[in-house]
Amino acid sequence: DSGVTQTPKHLITATGQRVTLRCSPRSGDLSVYWYQQSLDQGLQFLIQYYNGEERAKGNILERFSAQQFPDLHSELNLSSLELGDSALYFCASSGGGQASYGYTFGSGTRLTVV
Amino acid sequence: GNSVTQMEGPVTLSEEAFLTINCTYTATGYPSLFWYVQYPGEGLQLLLKATKADDKGSNKGFEATYRKETTSFHLEKGSVQVSDSAVYFCALSATSGTYKYIFGTGTRLKVLA
Repeated sequence: DSGVTQTPKHLITATGQRVTLRCSPRSGDLSVYWYQQSLDQGLQFLIQYYNGEERAKGNILERFSAQQFPDLHSELNLSSLELGDSALYFCASSGGGQASYGYTFGSGTRLTVV
Repeated sequence: GNSVTQMEGPVTLSEEAFLTINCTYTATGYPSLFWYVQYPGEGLQLLLKATKADDKGSNKGFEATYRKETTSFHLEKGSVQVSDSAVYFCALSATSGTYKYIFGTGTRLKVLA
């Protein structure tokens, strides 16, 4: 157990639907990062939050949004889902705002859009 | 912009063979460099890191040296085991302005008994 908890582990949904992925960071970590892992695109950075505020944004689609709550857990919302959104979504956390400390990854949520 | 290039896999080795997985990077400034490992069905785990030139990161028999002159961070292990079979990712984090990692595409290693 890495200390980063992601739920659900698996999600199957239809095109056009909306889903919410949840991440609880390791105890004490203030930063949460979201990544998408697909076979054709590899690991793509989506977004980072630090202590409740958005810190950095990557290749995140407008249909996707995220937030970090006062208790530091984070949610990634994916809407108007398309077949191409099927992927593994990872959350990672780190203690500081800088990635040079190293991440702790969760085990991911596998999203299948049918 | 910043980027990481890894050798393509899969890499198939016999147990006790020597492993090298090449990684080169492009970055402004002085990034930190990392190797992560992903076992089947799991998330990525930090394997080792180096934060400045000539630093050597090491863990579980794996080593990598931060070579600024060749912009490389090759992963090596002297004697691989079947349990090392996994996907290995090289990554960098910029030193300022951004806080995200740039990952390589990953190299799948398969070790045969």
